Amino acid sequence: DTAVSQTPKYLVTQMGNDKSIKCEQNLGHDTMYWYKQDSKKFLKIMFSYNNKELIINETVPNRFSPKSPDKAHLNLHINSLELGDSAVYFCASSQLAGRAPGTDTQYFGPGTRLTVL
Amino acid sequence: TQLLEQSPQFLSIQEGENLTVYCNSSSVFSSLQWYRQEPGEGPVLLVTVVTGGEVKKLKRLTFQFGDARKDSSLHITAAQPGDTGLYLCAGVTSGTYKYIFGTGTRLKVLA
Repeated sequence: DTAVSQTPKYLVTQMGNDKSIKCEQNLGHDTMYWYKQDSKKFLKIMFSYNNKELIINETVPNRFSPKSPDKAHLNLHINSLELGDSAVYFCASSQLAGRAPGTDTQYFGPGTRLTVL
Repeated sequence: TQLLEQSPQFLSIQEGENLTVYCNSSSVFSSLQWYRQEPGEGPVLLVTVVTGGEVKKLKRLTFQFGDARKDSSLHITAAQPGDTGLYLCAGVTSGTYKYIFGTGTRLKVLA
């Protein structure tokens, strides 16, 4: 069984479009995250949700809006896509509620490669 | 800007050799983690260290957190092709509680 799954695996779209990436975890974890990994493999945290509540929101353009319909899902919606949004986006989850990332084990999904043309 | 600099950036070695990867910063970290990431997959956590001077071993991998909690190292003994991957350190900055990743080290172990 896949612990953290993301769809789609690949997403190719034109500049200016709006797209969503879905993430689901079946681990029963309380906290979920979104990360962006650029072409140089540099990974950066974007958002963190704990029990559907936003707890980390790094300096991310407001074109990016996470949505958590329930504890097991954290989707990422991106408006007005730009060339610089091209990257691999990773979803992750961890068990302990309210803990800062880096003190708990995070389980990462396989990533969604977004290409903006 | 708080940075975690990893060195070397790239490393290609023969099977059976030993290697050390470094993760350095001018900032203090309350905890530090090491991940391995393989192509097309997400990072997988290897270890978390939280105490200055702490040493942890995971089979052939030895992790150390610096005494001042500003740096860490990963030592692999008798590297195997299965160790090939991107190694990432990541830490929580002390005081500001930011979670940041290192610049990465790409390791290739040749059979």
